[in-house]
Amino acid sequence: GQNIDQPTEMTATEGAIVQINCTYQTSGFNGLFWYQQHAGEAPTFLSYNVLDGLEEKGRFSSFLSRSKGYSYLLLKELQMKDSASYLCAVVDSNYQLIWGAGTKLIIKP
Amino acid sequence: ETGVTQTPRHLVMGMTNKKSLKCEQHLGHNAMYWYKQSAKKPLELMFVYNFKEQTENNSVPSRFSPECPNSSHLFLHLHTLQPEDSALYLCASSQEREGQETQYFGPGTRLLVL
Repeated sequence: GQNIDQPTEMTATEGAIVQINCTYQTSGFNGLFWYQQHAGEAPTFLSYNVLDGLEEKGRFSSFLSRSKGYSYLLLKELQMKDSASYLCAVVDSNYQLIWGAGTKLIIKP
Repeated sequence: ETGVTQTPRHLVMGMTNKKSLKCEQHLGHNAMYWYKQSAKKPLELMFVYNFKEQTENNSVPSRFSPECPNSSHLFLHLHTLQPEDSALYLCASSQEREGQETQYFGPGTRLLVL
């Protein structure tokens, strides 16, 4: 079967750095998405990785290792508004999106 | 209006009621999706429409009935639902029906079935 694993919940301090991991076992791979979802709101696109390496976008970076079936989202200089759920999703060989259950990130002052 | 909009934002219904959820996208996209989101579970893809044609129905019970009159509008008709159908129902759109296309989501309808 196909599976996406990410931690259920993480806590971090304002101003710090946090890394949210995502591991996947899918039938093929055609890219990996990270989305942010604030409580009661729509998921919004953060990043898309299809090649190995680190993609940086402001305070957020996303890393991919296809050989390890692993990605992480790195958030720097955390702000209270970063409190949200972070969803990892993989595009499989049939170009279907396989979603993880999301990681709820709690930021404390 | 921009992006993807959904109405209503909240809905409470009895098991014998009939209601409809509405989604509208203002992005000029050709593909639209219905998802079910339950607490601590992955997003469940329910239906996909590409150029107004339904291309996927992921074993969804017949008490959920989608309708796509044009590329900008998507409906989900609900009847005789069960309490376990209570969830957040998200609509999304993308330029094409390809998995690597970024999907843009609406804010969702929070549904409670009593």
